[in-house]
Amino acid sequence: RKEVEQDPGPFNVPEGATVAFNCTYSNSASQSFFWYRQDCRKEPKLLMSVYSSGNEDGRFTAQLNRASQYISLLIRDSKLSDSATYLCVVNKGGTYKYIFGTGTRLKVLA
Amino acid sequence: DAGVIQSPRHEVTEMGQEVTLRCKPISGHDYLFWYRQTMMRGLELLIYFNNNVPIDDSGMPEDRFSAKMPNASFSTLKIQPSEPRDSAVYFCASSPGTSVRETQYFGPGTRLLVL
Repeated sequence: RKEVEQDPGPFNVPEGATVAFNCTYSNSASQSFFWYRQDCRKEPKLLMSVYSSGNEDGRFTAQLNRASQYISLLIRDSKLSDSATYLCVVNKGGTYKYIFGTGTRLKVLA
Repeated sequence: DAGVIQSPRHEVTEMGQEVTLRCKPISGHDYLFWYRQTMMRGLELLIYFNNNVPIDDSGMPEDRFSAKMPNASFSTLKIQPSEPRDSAVYFCASSPGTSVRETQYFGPGTRLLVL
């Protein structure tokens, strides 16, 4: 089983739609969780950290479920500019060793 | 701040040649990471440093790969000899290191093609 698993997609959604991605992780000792965004031929950039209580940043909401060992990302009112690959990132135990999922591709259609 | 700087941005070389990738982290960041990204395997951590000391190199594929950080503002990743399967995008990232919850900042990457 991979340490961090994501549905690769692609998710093709119309503008204005709501879309959700899930990511599962295998190490119950993981402490840090992130969503990164990667545009084509660019470096990954932090979208948001994921906190135990859940957190929201504008149209983006991230949730953490420790019991089931998954994190989620919800995007509301999708924009064309949201088209990208979304990477789930989890640290290994209490270390600085970060494990990246292979990413979920999102394409928002006009 | 200039962000993480990597050079070269593109490298094309022939099998068997030595390749050296360079990285300058963000000033004041204590952690430096080297990643490799391919279509097949995604983004993989190769090695990371804390205060110039290698902490975990378990992701380094084999002895052909080596990484150094002689000072806080410079790191190299060397492949010798290079092979076609080393073709990938290599990213360097740095982090302040005050907490594992700190984000990493990535450089633009080096696109390596080994013929």
